[in-house]
Amino acid sequence: KAGVTQTPRYLIKTRGQQVTLSCSPISGHRSVSWYQQTPGQGLQFLFEYFSETQRNKGNFPGRFSGRQFSNSRSEMNVSTLELGDSALYLCASMPAPTTYEQYFGPGTRLTVT
Amino acid sequence: AQKVTQAQTEISVVEKEDVTLDCVYETRDTTYYLFWYKQPPSGELVFLIRRNSFDEQNEISGRYSWNFQKSTSSFNFTITASQVVDSAVYFCALEGGSQGNLIFGKGTKLSVKP
Repeated sequence: KAGVTQTPRYLIKTRGQQVTLSCSPISGHRSVSWYQQTPGQGLQFLFEYFSETQRNKGNFPGRFSGRQFSNSRSEMNVSTLELGDSALYLCASMPAPTTYEQYFGPGTRLTVT
Repeated sequence: AQKVTQAQTEISVVEKEDVTLDCVYETRDTTYYLFWYKQPPSGELVFLIRRNSFDEQNEISGRYSWNFQKSTSSFNFTITASQVVDSAVYFCALEGGSQGNLIFGKGTKLSVKP
């Protein structure tokens, strides 16, 4: 079975721009979570989607948004990028929210200049 | 509030040494799950173990073992006879009241030298 895939793997953007990151979960998995990893704050939960509905959201500003499509693929969007948004963005999938075991993708490394 | 503390920021050992990574957690939930993940330099988090709060039995998987003690809110991870390939950052995490929300510790960077 193919693992979680994330595209692009690396991205460089300028302050003020917006960016969209994509995540394709493991086949059959319907739950997708997003995390931000920075050296200072560590790994922080962004949001979680299941069956195209956002179930939970972490403590991030409204510039961070996401969605999930009917095929379970998910995208997250960050508008008006700030230097502090530079991070590794990780996506994780689970068969369903009740299964607890999350499988992570390789991440997208976003650099904001 | 829920919190995971990994007090050891970095550990360096020589190959074949045993090493224990500490994890202390805080939660008011009576039912919860604890996890360990490994993050090699490639960046992808690799799932190692999940433990629910009702199962305090220690677990061993090859050179890896985990010691869960509810009385001290600890979930420590031991690598026996460490190898260079064990070099990575190890994260302890707590399922934060919602199945899709993991609360991570800051991680422990383990360096195993030949």
